[in-house]
Amino acid sequence: DVVMTQSPLSLPVTLGQPASISCRSSQSLVYSDGNTYLNWFQQRPGQSPRRLIYKVSNRDSGVPDRFSGSGSGTDFTLKISRVEAEDVGIYYCMQATHWPRTFGQGTKVEIK
Amino acid sequence: EVQLLESGGGLVQPGGSLRLSCAASGFTFSSSSMTWVRQAPGKGLEWVSTISGSGGTTYYADSVKGRFTISRDNSKNTLYLQMNSLRAEDTAIYYCAKSSNLDAWGQGSTVTVSS
Repeated sequence: DVVMTQSPLSLPVTLGQPASISCRSSQSLVYSDGNTYLNWFQQRPGQSPRRLIYKVSNRDSGVPDRFSGSGSGTDFTLKISRVEAEDVGIYYCMQATHWPRTFGQGTKVEIK
Repeated sequence: EVQLLESGGGLVQPGGSLRLSCAASGFTFSSSSMTWVRQAPGKGLEWVSTISGSGGTTYYADSVKGRFTISRDNSKNTLYLQMNSLRAEDTAIYYCAKSSNLDAWGQGSTVTVSS
């Protein structure tokens, strides 16, 4: 199975400051069609998860442009340019290239 | 607007069975693969199973293989998860999600396995 490793697991951030979460996979996530199926999800307290980013860097509809995804191969990053109060929650990366699908452990973002 | 509504959760004894349902609307159900993901109390997300749009292809996590069965009824726009031989470690919120890339999620259905 592909192991997804996120860091840090806890991220205290000052409002208005940037935040960055790393996600590394144990195998390349490049699929045979040339796409890289790495997704990012946000789970706010008490809510269902929602997808923010798909295929490394594509924002889902309604996702603020302060969220961005980057990376390639086995090394990926989610960045929040200026953290707002509504960004508090747990962020997960997930690979959808290989079976079984696997998630990172989650990174808890909180306000300092 | 995509809507996914899970139902069927509850309290069940170890070794028991339960069937979850997920009613879908707002998209062409038969054209989309569907997925179940679970989250144990205080834990992270765990992929459980995915089924193709036609229902002809299914995938399972090793932790549920042989005990859980994913299926769908495209005439009713409904996804199912039949859970047999339930264990305490199956206690979780079960989410259904659209596609194998999880682009939309339901609100979840809570399953508690306890005597």
